[in-house]
Amino acid sequence: KAGVTQTPRYLIKTRGQQVTLSCSPISGHRSVSWYQQTPGQGLQFLFEYFSETQRNKGNFPGRFSGRQFSNSRSEMNVSTLELGDSALYLCASSLMGPSDPGAFFGQGTRLTVV
Amino acid sequence: QKEVEQNSGPLSVPEGAIASLNCTYSDRGSQSFFWYRQYSGKSPELIMFIYSNGDKEDGRFTAQLNKASQYVSLLIRDSQPSDSATYLCAVKPESNYQLIWGAGTKLIIKP
Repeated sequence: KAGVTQTPRYLIKTRGQQVTLSCSPISGHRSVSWYQQTPGQGLQFLFEYFSETQRNKGNFPGRFSGRQFSNSRSEMNVSTLELGDSALYLCASSLMGPSDPGAFFGQGTRLTVV
Repeated sequence: QKEVEQNSGPLSVPEGAIASLNCTYSDRGSQSFFWYRQYSGKSPELIMFIYSNGDKEDGRFTAQLNKASQYVSLLIRDSQPSDSATYLCAVKPESNYQLIWGAGTKLIIKP
């Protein structure tokens, strides 16, 4: 059974640019949650998609957006990048939602903004 | 503001000893509690979850939940160097199903 796949694994972008990250969930999982992880801050919830609908959203500015496709793959987009957006971005897939004990994380995308 | 607090560590424990990790949470109505392990440069992986007051054991790991005191702990018996990692506590609050995460405790098991 394939795991959660995030692409790309590493990205270096310049301030002001935009970036799109991709997450392919485990087959059959309809929930995809996105998190930002920075040193000392833990995981900050960005948003969750379930069956192509954004079901929940964290406290991030509108520069952070996402979507989910009919095959459950999800993308997140960050526009007008700032230095503070440098972080590890993780997605987690599950059958029912982020508090499902069967949730699995992808390996993450390490974004560096210079 | 719902919060989950963990001591950032590092917590240093001799090999073979019991490692005790603690987590407190602010939302008294919280329902589900999770412990994730994250190795450096890797993604978090679930090691334990607990819903009811008391202890839950799985191999060398025991999760303890005390809802009255609003804390959850993770005990690791017979600690091994491979247990060295950051341990993240996550809590599902009453009001929704997203998890609130602690910042993690770095555990170092010394041979």
